[in-house]
Amino acid sequence: DQQVKQNSPSLSVQEGRISILNCDYTNSMFDYFLWYKKYPAEGPTFLISISSIKDKNEDGRFTVFLNKSAKHLSLHIVPSQPGDSAVYFCAAGGFTGGGNKLTFGTGTQLKVEL
Amino acid sequence: DAGITQSPRYKITETGRQVTLMCHQTWSHSYMFWYRQDLGHGLRLIYYSAAADITDKGEVPDGYVVSRSKTENFPLTLESATRSQTSVYFCASQREYEQFFGPGTRLTVL
Repeated sequence: DQQVKQNSPSLSVQEGRISILNCDYTNSMFDYFLWYKKYPAEGPTFLISISSIKDKNEDGRFTVFLNKSAKHLSLHIVPSQPGDSAVYFCAAGGFTGGGNKLTFGTGTQLKVEL
Repeated sequence: DAGITQSPRYKITETGRQVTLMCHQTWSHSYMFWYRQDLGHGLRLIYYSAAADITDKGEVPDGYVVSRSKTENFPLTLESATRSQTSVYFCASQREYEQFFGPGTRLTVL
């Protein structure tokens, strides 16, 4: 049972345009959500997070939106740059009943083209 | 250097062999995790540890054993490697809600 889903395995965007990566979850007990970025042959690195009490968090070119009623979050990258080409993982966690564990989605491969 | 390291970075072994993957962190974070990354599955939790001598199973623990005698080390052992355990393995430690990952170990079981 996949509690965190990223239904788009890949996304291609032109440089300078907006990239929108989507993530859906099923467990309403999740308290917080994170996005990780992963380059080949490296470990995932933290990008941005959002608490369940917020609906938006912004950090430079990266904004995460949370729609709790739809159990959906999205990551917006504006403007997209070639260096953003990577795999992006959505993750969800909660301090209630699950310890400190994170549940990850399957990832979306973003390619930013010149 | 501060951070989280994994060794070896690459390992090739044969079916039935025992393999141990090492993980070391310098932050003294309480929580540590082992994941495997496979195409189409993302990152799946194998085992985690809340502190020294406290470990628990994750989503895919079968065939793996962990120990944590010291806070900074969290080795993962494949007692009898199988081909299905060919994967990239990531270790992570956690501060508050953020997890920090090591560079990974690519394991091939022939």
